[in-house]
Amino acid sequence: DVKVTQSSRYLVKRTGEKVFLECVQDMDHENMFWYRQDPGLGLRLIYFSYDVKMKEKGDIPEGYSVSREKKERFSLILESASTNQTSMYLCASSLVSWTGPTSGYGYTFGSGTRLTVV
Amino acid sequence: AQSVTQLDSQVPVFEEAPVELRCNYSSSVSVYLFWYVQYPNQGLQLLLKYLSGSTLVKGINGFEAEFNKSQTSFHLRKPSVHISDTAEYFCASRTGNQFYFGTGTSLTVIP
Repeated sequence: DVKVTQSSRYLVKRTGEKVFLECVQDMDHENMFWYRQDPGLGLRLIYFSYDVKMKEKGDIPEGYSVSREKKERFSLILESASTNQTSMYLCASSLVSWTGPTSGYGYTFGSGTRLTVV
Repeated sequence: AQSVTQLDSQVPVFEEAPVELRCNYSSSVSVYLFWYVQYPNQGLQLLLKYLSGSTLVKGINGFEAEFNKSQTSFHLRKPSVHISDTAEYFCASRTGNQFYFGTGTSLTVIP
């Protein structure tokens, strides 16, 4: 069964800490995404990547960075955690698609990491 | 710009009653439409998707959705809900590599 694995389900960090959220997929997908999910706001895209070493800003990149050194791994980095970054973080992957038969494929999501910054 | 609007943030419904979760999309180009479900403390799972062809799409767990181009809608339905259907439901559209999610509808099934 295909999987997207997020390394931690629950994480508690202190304000100012540098935080790494890891995501690994075993489907050979080109695209990987990081979202945060907050009540009433739905899913908001932080960063995404179409290929190794490539990254693109999403809708709310401030305070975050990402790293994609290998195709299967996409890391989200909180440079200096703040309380307003307390949230559920979801990683997803998909096949690349501009046109063609894979363009209708959906995401595969990880189980999420609930991060609390105190 | 594309967007997806879920018209109801919360939908309570009694067990074994029918339910409809509403979703409207805006797009000037062809889109692919999806419904995802999120059970408590879990990631999102794909319920069903519309790519082309028949406008009535059947998914897992007895859910179905109808694509209506003239009304730009993709509403999710189930004729008889179960307690285990209590979850958050997200409508999404995709064009190329861009996904657009609605803000979610929380479905609560009341015994």
